[in-house]
Amino acid sequence: AQSVTQLGSHVSVSEGALVLLRCNYSSSVPPYLFWYVQYPNQGLQLLLKYTTGATLVKGINGFEAEFKKSETSFHLTKPSAHMSDAAEYFCAVSDVYRRALTFGSGTRLQVQP
Amino acid sequence: EAGVAQSPRYKIIEKRQSVAFWCNPISGHATLYWYQQILGQGPKLLIQFQNNGVVDDSQLPKDRFSAERLKGVDSTLKIQPAKLEDSAVYLCASSLDLGNSSPLHFGNGTRLTVT
Repeated sequence: AQSVTQLGSHVSVSEGALVLLRCNYSSSVPPYLFWYVQYPNQGLQLLLKYTTGATLVKGINGFEAEFKKSETSFHLTKPSAHMSDAAEYFCAVSDVYRRALTFGSGTRLQVQP
Repeated sequence: EAGVAQSPRYKIIEKRQSVAFWCNPISGHATLYWYQQILGQGPKLLIQFQNNGVVDDSQLPKDRFSAERLKGVDSTLKIQPAKLEDSAVYLCASSLDLGNSSPLHFGNGTRLTVT
């Protein structure tokens, strides 16, 4: 079975500050890992994904995440927060055998001016 | 390309009533998913189709939920009868195929309120 734990249901940062959203996963097989963003009343949009290869992956809107197998983590970062980054962020896990994603409970990011 | 279309956007029903949601995936996408997103939680998979066949419905409450994708394109999710705990956003997603190089594209969802 696969699972995802997102530490912190709410994160608040100042505009221009570092964004760090934490994600830990559990998987019995090599994982595929994803970050999605959800704006109010909208569906989910893919930010970035890790399947194989380079463990540091870059996504849209300046976000990146690093896969750390030893820590079973896939934390999302952005060097400088923008007001438009305020949204809900979901980490998700899948693998080569199971296509459907298992999502974490989400982290709501607030960006203060 | 046109995105995943879902209707209706909002639905309010009383408990024990029936409701149906419709999803039109992106053209050419073979894989279709229905997710349930309860307020404050992440989406939970209900059912996954590959063309018109079911790949995974292990988390679908089959005593009240049903879904079909008869022609391998559009899909309908039905709840009969609805319970209060079914209040949620129902998200449809599609992908080109089963490979994880093919990302999921989500619709805007249908928000169901059961009173």
